[in-house]
Amino acid sequence: SQTIHQWPATLVQPVGSPLSLECTVEGTSNPNLYWYRQAAGRGLQLLFYSVGIGQISSEVPQNLSASRPQDRQFILSSKKLLLSDSGFYLCAWSIGLQGGMDSPLHFGNGTRLTVT
Amino acid sequence: GNSVTQMEGPVTLSEEAFLTINCTYTATGYPSLFWYVQYPGEGLQLLLKATKADDKGSNKGFEATYRKETTSFHLEKGSVQVSDSAVYFCALMGANNLFFGTGTRLTVIP
Repeated sequence: SQTIHQWPATLVQPVGSPLSLECTVEGTSNPNLYWYRQAAGRGLQLLFYSVGIGQISSEVPQNLSASRPQDRQFILSSKKLLLSDSGFYLCAWSIGLQGGMDSPLHFGNGTRLTVT
Repeated sequence: GNSVTQMEGPVTLSEEAFLTINCTYTATGYPSLFWYVQYPGEGLQLLLKATKADDKGSNKGFEATYRKETTSFHLEKGSVQVSDSAVYFCALMGANNLFFGTGTRLTVIP
């Protein structure tokens, strides 16, 4: 069966520090991968998605970036965190192109980031 | 463009009460529709889905029917339990990702 791992679960970082959140998927090949952010009291905002290694699409311009160095690895990064980067970050995967438009997303347990 | 509008919470119900969480959408064409649930401190889990008009998705006693004429996908449950306390998200599938509503927090009290 497929599983998704996301870490760390919680993180407290000072303003201006770098960020690296990692997500890996097991049990499937060529998944679509996603990073979402859930700010307090708000819905989910898609940050990045990837349909393959090295292919990253950004939905919202910001000081975050994403990379996909391996098929089942998705990394969210920042060189300098802002206070406004605080939130709950969720990684997700779905079946790739062959899965069709009704393939649901499967989410990790999330990383709660607090920028102080 | 694609968007989802959910009723704002929070919603507080007594155990065994009837639940309705309204969801309407705007989309090009007829996208697949989903309800996700987020329990405290966890990520989102797929609750149910419907892929075409008049489809009814169901799971764990929850139901939602894809209504093309009213562009709605309301979530219902006949008798809620304390364990149903969570945040519920309505979503539609766009070209490359899910568009989510803002979520509705449900609290069920004994």
